Amino acid sequence: GAGVSQSPSNKVTEKGKDVELRCDPISGHTALYWYRQRLGQGLEFLIYFQGNSAPDKSGLPSDRFSAERTGESVSTLTIQRTQQEDSAVYLCASSLALRKGEQYFGPGTRLTVT
Amino acid sequence: GQQVMQIPQYQHVQEGEDFTTYCNSSTTLSNIQWYKQRPGGHPVFLIQLVKSGEVKKQKRLTFQFGEAKKNSSLHITATQTTDVGTYFCAGGGDSNYQLIWGAGTKLIIKP
Repeated sequence: GAGVSQSPSNKVTEKGKDVELRCDPISGHTALYWYRQRLGQGLEFLIYFQGNSAPDKSGLPSDRFSAERTGESVSTLTIQRTQQEDSAVYLCASSLALRKGEQYFGPGTRLTVT
Repeated sequence: GQQVMQIPQYQHVQEGEDFTTYCNSSTTLSNIQWYKQRPGGHPVFLIQLVKSGEVKKQKRLTFQFGEAKKNSSLHITATQTTDVGTYFCAGGGDSNYQLIWGAGTKLIIKP
């Protein structure tokens, strides 16, 4: 079936505005991850969802960041009052297994805050 | 917290030369995964190692997991232009699900 999809692929927003990023995981994948990747940098873990369990939000950098997931389907990452330092590629990944299984990444959303 | 150190940050090679990247953890890892990210692309899973001392090969790529399960390496023999990209290791730590990501090694082929 289809891989992980993310939308939009690119988003340019003004400082102070809110943005919402969407991730559609692979059907049947119970685990979903959000990462941030700044230009030329590694992956920064943001949040993890597993089924209907409470998400692990330990990686969210501030209370301006939040994420939701409905069951084992779509997830949205919301950034409120965006700042220039939020500019990055936001990657979503999904996984079959709970225990550190192979992660399948979406193409990412490139966010630019002007 | 747990960290995985990956070196070098960059490696410039002539096409046909070999390339190696190393990952080290201060704590024992349950497993190690390797991903490749092409320029402008997203990480793509290459392989997972689970057993102590495990060695796996994929064509010109050789992956090793140390005896103590604290380090790992990826070696590419006779690099080609298609190998260009950033290689990330990601280790399974204490938590049930979270991978601990290395910072990546960027493979650059000299013109």
